[in-house]
Amino acid sequence: TQLLEQSPQFLSIQEGENLTVYCNSSSVFSSLQWYRQEPGEGPVLLVTVVTGGEVKKLKRLTFQFGDARKDSSLHITAAQPGDTGLYLCAGALYSSASKIIFGSGTRLSIRP
Amino acid sequence: SQTIHQWPATLVQPVGSPLSLECTVEGTSNPNLYWYRQAAGRGLQLLFYSVGIGQISSEVPQNLSASRPQDRQFILSSKKLLLSDSGFYLCAWTTGWNSPLHFGNGTRLTVT
Repeated sequence: TQLLEQSPQFLSIQEGENLTVYCNSSSVFSSLQWYRQEPGEGPVLLVTVVTGGEVKKLKRLTFQFGDARKDSSLHITAAQPGDTGLYLCAGALYSSASKIIFGSGTRLSIRP
Repeated sequence: SQTIHQWPATLVQPVGSPLSLECTVEGTSNPNLYWYRQAAGRGLQLLFYSVGIGQISSEVPQNLSASRPQDRQFILSSKKLLLSDSGFYLCAWTTGWNSPLHFGNGTRLTVT
């Protein structure tokens, strides 16, 4: 069974602090995506990374794909209350690229 | 433009009753289709995915089943619901492993 372990599960920090969310697996992925989800809605894509070692930046968010394509991280600089939400990583398995599995999610709360 | 429709939005069903959730996609051809289930505040559990008409890959068989009778129609069913089937069910589509997943608005199922 392929698993995508995401940590931490919960994170509550003060506005202006930095944070990193991790996504790890023993499986290799063709691509890895990060989503953000609001209550009662479907997840919305933030970024897709496809190349080992790839780094993508989206304003204050930095995403990295591990060299072996088994892990990824999301780093937020100077967190703001608007960053509050559920962050999810999702990977398309290299062994079966149509199979897309999700991590367990990180609930982020930014205190003003 | 592509759209995805999922219904119903909410459903309350007694234990042992049948289930049918429907999802349709418009504006694209031969999408990969997915059913996920989500517990409150957690990640998405992959239930079924399909890469073509009549092709269903099952991740969590148990008492749930899925069918794809038409290219852009995906149905999740159960003959007898269990209490543990309660959750937020999300249908999604994508064109490939490096393309984003597009989600429906979800169905909140409560089994009583």
